[in-house]
Amino acid sequence: NAGVTQTPKFQVLKTGQSMTLQCAQDMNHNSMYWYRQDPGMGLRLIYYSASEGTTDKGEVPNGYNVSRLNKREFSLRLESAAPSQTSVYFCASSDYRAQLFFGSGTQLSVL
Amino acid sequence: AQKVTQAQTEISVVEKEDVTLDCVYETRDTTYYLFWYKQPPSGELVFLIRRNSFDEQNEISGRYSWNFQKSTSSFNFTITASQVVDSAVYFCALGSSGTYKYIFGTGTRLKVLA
Repeated sequence: NAGVTQTPKFQVLKTGQSMTLQCAQDMNHNSMYWYRQDPGMGLRLIYYSASEGTTDKGEVPNGYNVSRLNKREFSLRLESAAPSQTSVYFCASSDYRAQLFFGSGTQLSVL
Repeated sequence: AQKVTQAQTEISVVEKEDVTLDCVYETRDTTYYLFWYKQPPSGELVFLIRRNSFDEQNEISGRYSWNFQKSTSSFNFTITASQVVDSAVYFCALGSSGTYKYIFGTGTRLKVLA
């Protein structure tokens, strides 16, 4: 049982480049989330999807877009990366008990 | 609006000491969930506990215990007889059953010295 799988694990971008972070869960969870973690800032919610077909902004959505492709997959896209988006990104899903299950994270550097 | 405050940025203790990590939350929801997660140096996020707003019973799991007090909007976490392996960043989080949003505090870095 893989749980929540994120790809890639590491990525280096130049300012202005675009990329998509992929996330998939195999636990049949309805809700999925993208967080970013920065030193001293904790985990901040970027976007979430309460169920397939819906997405909503979190605390820090600017500069990001998301797609809930199906129940399993929730991708995060950076259209024009900026150095301020250098961070560790975590995808998560939640079950009916409201417990969050996290992926292992993506370390993104924007130069 | 939801908010989670972990005022302790970093705590250092000597092994075998007890330590309490504070968490204060704000929400207008009547039904909500509170969580603690541990992030060891390896970086993964490890679930420790979930509490719903209707269950104010304190919980003990081995050396870990949690004190939930709705009157003070607090959900504090105590580690008894701390060990070096407890060194990690600990996050408190608040979730709303209605909006499915989960908000985290800024975390408390715990260093347990041998």
